[in-house]
Amino acid sequence: QVQLQESGPGLVKPSETLSLTCTVSGGSISSYYWSWIRQPPGKGLEWIGYIYYSGSTNYNPSLKSRLTISVDTSKNQFSLKVTSVTAADTAVYYCARAHPSGYIKSWGQGTLVTVSS
Amino acid sequence: QSVLTQPPSVSAAPGQKVTISCSGSSSNIGNSYVSWYQQLPGTAPKLLIYDNNKRPSGIPDRFSGSKSGTSATLGITGLQTGDEADYYCGTWDSSLTWVFGGGTKLTVL
Repeated sequence: QVQLQESGPGLVKPSETLSLTCTVSGGSISSYYWSWIRQPPGKGLEWIGYIYYSGSTNYNPSLKSRLTISVDTSKNQFSLKVTSVTAADTAVYYCARAHPSGYIKSWGQGTLVTVSS
Repeated sequence: QSVLTQPPSVSAAPGQKVTISCSGSSSNIGNSYVSWYQQLPGTAPKLLIYDNNKRPSGIPDRFSGSKSGTSATLGITGLQTGDEADYYCGTWDSSLTWVFGGGTKLTVL
């Protein structure tokens, strides 16, 4: 059973870069869409983007200009960077594994990132 | 404003049945499988239904899914207080982006 765990700073200053890493255990990074999803406090889920195991990426058009998702297969990790953050980027960030047919069975526990000075 | 439209809330009494709708378009639901997620307070979402109507192992058959055209429906029978949660639909959209519904809060009265 694959497990995912997010890690990274819980507090980021406005205008700085948010950086998170997801460590995958119990399986290798292959044949899936390794995804980031966020949930602002009290609000719904928002898909951020994914990286396919081959390295190709796809991003939410509304966030695309500020996003980078990368993968390190040697460490079984993938990462998220969001630049120029504002308070609107405050959210619980989840990493997840999406199956090609279109479902997300494996989720990390989520990590709260607060943007504040 | 979410790409997929869900009712903000539904409610029903214990033991009753409830349905949650998810409306989309030909660029998403009409052309892809739909999945459903249950999110209990303070926890990560949990997959309930995938490929429109399949249940992962461990999900009771009280939960069911269906799809017709550009809409999908989650059904829950024999409601229990433990079913109180937020429910989300999700699917691929055009250009292989992913979209979620806005979520539906289920209250078991």
